[in-house]
Amino acid sequence: NAGVTQTPKFQVLKTGQSMTLQCAQDMNHNSMYWYRQDPGMGLRLIYYSASEGTTDKGEVPNGYNVSRLNKREFSLRLESAAPSQTSVYFCASSDLAEGWQFFGPGTRLTVL
Amino acid sequence: QKEVEQNSGPLSVPEGAIASLNCTYSDRGSQSFFWYRQYSGKSPELIMFIYSNGDKEDGRFTAQLNKASQYVSLLIRDSQPSDSATYLCAVNWDSSYKLIFGSGTRLLVRP
Repeated sequence: NAGVTQTPKFQVLKTGQSMTLQCAQDMNHNSMYWYRQDPGMGLRLIYYSASEGTTDKGEVPNGYNVSRLNKREFSLRLESAAPSQTSVYFCASSDLAEGWQFFGPGTRLTVL
Repeated sequence: QKEVEQNSGPLSVPEGAIASLNCTYSDRGSQSFFWYRQYSGKSPELIMFIYSNGDKEDGRFTAQLNKASQYVSLLIRDSQPSDSATYLCAVNWDSSYKLIFGSGTRLLVRP
């Protein structure tokens, strides 16, 4: 039982490049989330998926797109990376009945 | 704008002391409250949740909720150096699926 997994763990991009961050959970959770964490700013929600087949914007969605591929997988895509997207990205999942969220190990992204 | 406020710290306490971490939130519609611990370079992990006014105890941890005053706190008894981490407060509003996180309080437990 791996919980929430994320790939890759580290990534360096040049400005304008694109990439997809992958997330998968094996807890049969309905809801999945993408956050970014910057120093001194806490966790900010980028996008979330309340259930399979639905996605919605969070607090900071600009420059990102998401895909809920199936119940297990939720990917985050940067179409044209910018230095302002340098951050640590966390994926999380939750069971609606409980409310709390379980986090993956994170992806550390640097955009040069 | 829904907000969750925490003192960034660091809060420094000696080993064996009680550490008290506080969090205030802006919206009276808040329903669920969570405390996460985050070690440097690691992901947040849930340590406590509380839904009703009053105290909830789990081992060395006690969560306290006061909805009238819009604050939630976390007490850590018999603090250990291994408790040194950043503690994040998170709040769920209404029946939404989203959590709003505070920026966290850094706790340092001195041996």
